Amino acid sequence: AQSVTQLGSHVSVSEGALVLLRCNYSSSVPPYLFWYVQYPNQGLQLLLKYTSAATLVKGINGFEAEFKKSETSFHLTKPSAHMSDAAEYFCAVSDQMDSSYKLIFGSGTRLLVRP
Amino acid sequence: DTGVSQNPRHKITKRGQNVTFRCDPISEHNRLYWYRQTLGQGPEFLTYFQNEAQLEKSRLLSDRFSAERPKGSFSTLEIQRTEQGDSAMYLCASSLIGEENTGELFFGEGSRLTVL
Repeated sequence: AQSVTQLGSHVSVSEGALVLLRCNYSSSVPPYLFWYVQYPNQGLQLLLKYTSAATLVKGINGFEAEFKKSETSFHLTKPSAHMSDAAEYFCAVSDQMDSSYKLIFGSGTRLLVRP
Repeated sequence: DTGVSQNPRHKITKRGQNVTFRCDPISEHNRLYWYRQTLGQGPEFLTYFQNEAQLEKSRLLSDRFSAERPKGSFSTLEIQRTEQGDSAMYLCASSLIGEENTGELFFGEGSRLTVL
């Protein structure tokens, strides 16, 4: 079965510092991978997705992620954190062989940005 | 706004009462998904529809839960005889499944249920 592990339930960075949020997946075949962001009391907004094209994926708000098959990872990065980046981030996986295309989510990482 | 719409946004009820949530997906989307999210956790899959057909239900969806999508447009999620453990955010998402499927889901803002 598909699963996603997000290391670190909380990550704290200073404004202007590098953001690195970790995601590892388990899958028998290369999956589709997603990062979503959730602000308080709101739904989820797609940041970026990997769908078997380029391994380095650029998303909105300056975020990017790199698919590394050898490490089964899809870590999210941003060179310089902004106060508005403070939110909860979820990594999710979808099995290309599963016709439901349902997403399996990790438990999330809360990003705190210090002024 | 043509995004996914969910109502009500907040619902407070007493244990044992029935509640119903409504989801209006993006109009051309043929897939509709329901997820549950508890505090500090990621969303958990409950069920999904393709048009009006309910194609999969999670084991999380007990007999007290029922979802419908009668005309392949909006969907309702009803919880009967609510329990305190049902307190959560219920998220709806939609997608368009066609020739090129990337699996991206578009989420609504959720309906938060509090059972007293």
